[in-house]
Amino acid sequence: QTVVTQEPSFSVSPGGTVTLTCGLGSGSVSTSYHPSWYQQTPGQAPRTLIYSTNTRSSGVPDRFSGSILGNKAALTITGAQADDESDYYCVLYMGSGIWVFGGGTKLTVL
Amino acid sequence: EVQLLESGGGLVQPGGSLRLSCAASGFTFGSYAMSWVRQAPGKGLEWVSIISGSGGSTYYADSVEGRFTISRDNSKNTLYLHMNSLGAEDTAVYYCAKGSGESAARPLDYWGQGTLVTVSS
Repeated sequence: QTVVTQEPSFSVSPGGTVTLTCGLGSGSVSTSYHPSWYQQTPGQAPRTLIYSTNTRSSGVPDRFSGSILGNKAALTITGAQADDESDYYCVLYMGSGIWVFGGGTKLTVL
Repeated sequence: EVQLLESGGGLVQPGGSLRLSCAASGFTFGSYAMSWVRQAPGKGLEWVSIISGSGGSTYYADSVEGRFTISRDNSKNTLYLHMNSLGAEDTAVYYCAKGSGESAARPLDYWGQGTLVTVSS
């Protein structure tokens, strides 16, 4: 069973920069995994932020960016705002039509 | 504007069946893969299934393989999820999501608002 790892929680100060990561239980994440990032606030549907490593979804501000850092995918938020306080999920493509989500990171802005 | 509207959720007894639908608009439906993702109460997102734009390729998570069937009717711009042998572990909000390309290897870019499925006696 493939495990996709994310930090369970993270905190950032308003105006600060934070980088969330998405890794594999074993192995390195590369662009071929099409890492993608989704934001979800309680009671709402997920919203796509970044797909295929670094493509920003329509309407997403450029303070959200995606990359590969070392052996993980990364989501960087610069100039964090109060309404960035959300759950963030990554997903990786495992091949043969199979996708696996990470457990999510709860981001607190304080 | 892309719109995805799920329906068909509700209360079902253990061992029962249910069919979810997702009506799509605002894009050329048959040109994009479509997926179902679920979220159990208080839990994270779980990918369930995906179907290519043509409908010729379908894939499932191990947790639903053999019990769920994904399908689409491109003439009606509608995605379906047929769910059989439902158990308590299938209780979740089910989201319909659009792929960013025709292939199942393309990530999701738009999401519906979800429909709640509750499996309980």
